[in-house]
Amino acid sequence: AQSVTQPDIHITVSEGASLELRCNYSYGATPYLFWYVQSPGQGLQLLLKYFSGDTLVQGIKGFEAEFKRSQSSFNLRKPSVHWSDAAEYFCAVGALSGNTGKLIFGQGTTLQVKP
Amino acid sequence: DAGVTQSPTHLIKTRGQHVTLRCSPISGHKSVSWYQQVLGQGPQFIFQYYEKEERGRGNFPDRFSARQFPNYSSELNVNALLLGDSALYLCASSSPTANYGYTFGSGTRLTVV
Repeated sequence: AQSVTQPDIHITVSEGASLELRCNYSYGATPYLFWYVQSPGQGLQLLLKYFSGDTLVQGIKGFEAEFKRSQSSFNLRKPSVHWSDAAEYFCAVGALSGNTGKLIFGQGTTLQVKP
Repeated sequence: DAGVTQSPTHLIKTRGQHVTLRCSPISGHKSVSWYQQVLGQGPQFIFQYYEKEERGRGNFPDRFSARQFPNYSSELNVNALLLGDSALYLCASSSPTANYGYTFGSGTRLTVV
């Protein structure tokens, strides 16, 4: 079955500390992988995506993610967290063929940033 | 350029009523997808439309339906509302030329009482 697991429901880090959010997926085909961020009451903003090529992907707001096929993981990292990064983070996987495709999301990780 | 726009932003309905949610994709995007996000969970796929044809459907009852218009805007309809339909409904548009960067709207918050 296709699924995405985000093992950490809630993470608290201090401002300026490094961050890693975990994402594991189960997908039969070659996966397309995404990380989205959602502020309270808002829609989803795309941070980065991986389709192929270099397994280390750079995104917006200083985020990066590394695709590890052997571990079925796509963890999100940031070297120094800012208070404005406090939000809900979602990992998603999808298969895109032609003009069709759907995303399967994890349950999300809530990031709290301590001053 | 305008992003994905959804209307209304909030609405309250009574059990048994029906509701229509609207979505306008980014200009040039021909694909629209709908997702339901229940509080505390990740979004769940409901429908995808491309060029006015349904290209995918999630595990939702027949009370949920959608359509896409010639200008690529879309409507999501839900009949016989249940309390459990209370959620944030998200619309996303995408295009192969945008390298499948699904862009989401801010959503419609539906409360069923």
